[in-house]
Amino acid sequence: KQEVTQIPAALSVPEGENLVLNCSFTDSAIYNLQWFRQDPGKGLTSLLLIQSSQREQTSGRLNASLDKSSGRSTLYIAASQPGDSATYLCAVRNTGGFKTIFGAGTRLFVKA
Amino acid sequence: GAVVSQHPSWVICKSGTSVKIECRSLDFQATTMFWYRQFPKQSLMLMATSNEGSKATYEQGVEKDKFLINHASLTLSTLTVTSAHPEDSSFYICSAVGTGGANTEAFFGQGTRLTVV
Repeated sequence: KQEVTQIPAALSVPEGENLVLNCSFTDSAIYNLQWFRQDPGKGLTSLLLIQSSQREQTSGRLNASLDKSSGRSTLYIAASQPGDSATYLCAVRNTGGFKTIFGAGTRLFVKA
Repeated sequence: GAVVSQHPSWVICKSGTSVKIECRSLDFQATTMFWYRQFPKQSLMLMATSNEGSKATYEQGVEKDKFLINHASLTLSTLTVTSAHPEDSSFYICSAVGTGGANTEAFFGQGTRLTVV
């Protein structure tokens, strides 16, 4: 059974700092891995999607990597801003059944 | 990207009543839709998987008679919370997968916040 773990559970950083969010998964038989952002009381915003054959994806200040063999992904946020404050969710889509399994998320607070 | 519309975005209902939530894929055909539930400060938990024209597959611990799922067309799935109770208050979100094969991206609706009073 796929399990997705995110570390840290919460993170507070000063504005401008570069930071890394970690995601690990137990079953490497995945189709893709996706990072989402969720603001309080809101739905999901997709940030980056990495297919199983890819190693990384970049969008603006965000860079996500995938190491399928070790079951790890990282989300790198450069030059953090207060507007980046949100919960970041890592989600893994399994082969067979197409299920997407979510991690518990990392709550990020960027201080001005 | 493709759009998945969920309606309503929020609903308040009385205990004992039923509530229906709709999930529509607006610009693609979705052979498979998923329903998730999120309690405060927790992550999204998969409730069930529905394939068009067949019965939904529920995850362990999810009551199929309480959470009725219908996927009658390639663009619409509904979740009905029957005889709702305050403990059913949660954020419900759907996702839809198109017909493009194994690596087709899953798109998510914006969610429905249900409050049972």
